[in-house]
Amino acid sequence: GAGVSQTPSNKVTEKGKYVELRCDPISGHTALYWYRQSLGQGPEFLIYFQGTGAADDSGLPNDRFFAVRPEGSVSTLKIQRTERGDSAVYLCASSLTSGNYGYTFGSGTRLTVV
Amino acid sequence: QKEVEQDPGPLSVPEGAIVSLNCTYSNSAFQYFMWYRQYSRKGPELLMYTYSSGNKEDGRFTAQVDKSSKYISLFIRDSQPSDSATYLCAMSDGGGSNYKLTFGKGTLLTVNP
Repeated sequence: GAGVSQTPSNKVTEKGKYVELRCDPISGHTALYWYRQSLGQGPEFLIYFQGTGAADDSGLPNDRFFAVRPEGSVSTLKIQRTERGDSAVYLCASSLTSGNYGYTFGSGTRLTVV
Repeated sequence: QKEVEQDPGPLSVPEGAIVSLNCTYSNSAFQYFMWYRQYSRKGPELLMYTYSSGNKEDGRFTAQVDKSSKYISLFIRDSQPSDSATYLCAMSDGGGSNYKLTFGKGTLLTVNP
């Protein structure tokens, strides 16, 4: 596609529920990143995929968070037993190759845990 | 202390003004410096990209990096209402984890017609 697509754009869930957030990167981009942006803050790194594998998951806050990219394209961020503190905008970005240049961000999924 | 500090503003200026935005950082390993613009309910988009110290100009935008002071700036000349957005500085190191961006909080800029 023309850009990075994230669905849903908004998600409201109850505390304790499980959620999945989807990212469809630009076609041909091998590198994919997830960031989390809390209100009034800059994005914070969560995880980086090169192809199908998670090359760096050091930013995932705890074991309730997990992400997959089984075919090296679409990625899903999964959050178990959601907490109110998980409320944030979850941003996905992709780039042609690994590195800090050429990131294209999606518009994000705004997650609200009530 | 956060690795990257950025005054969140808000900053309000009249159309045509020169805008100065800046960030300080503490991690001397940072080698790559970026400025992103983020419109409301959108993802960040890259404005300026610089490596190490120096200046870079692109149209109305100038980015400056002073590694000795751990200080970076973005200048916007002849500001326009369409420049109204949040401006985020971002940095990464020069090593194997250079894909990992560390962002400032962002500065909310409003340019009034």
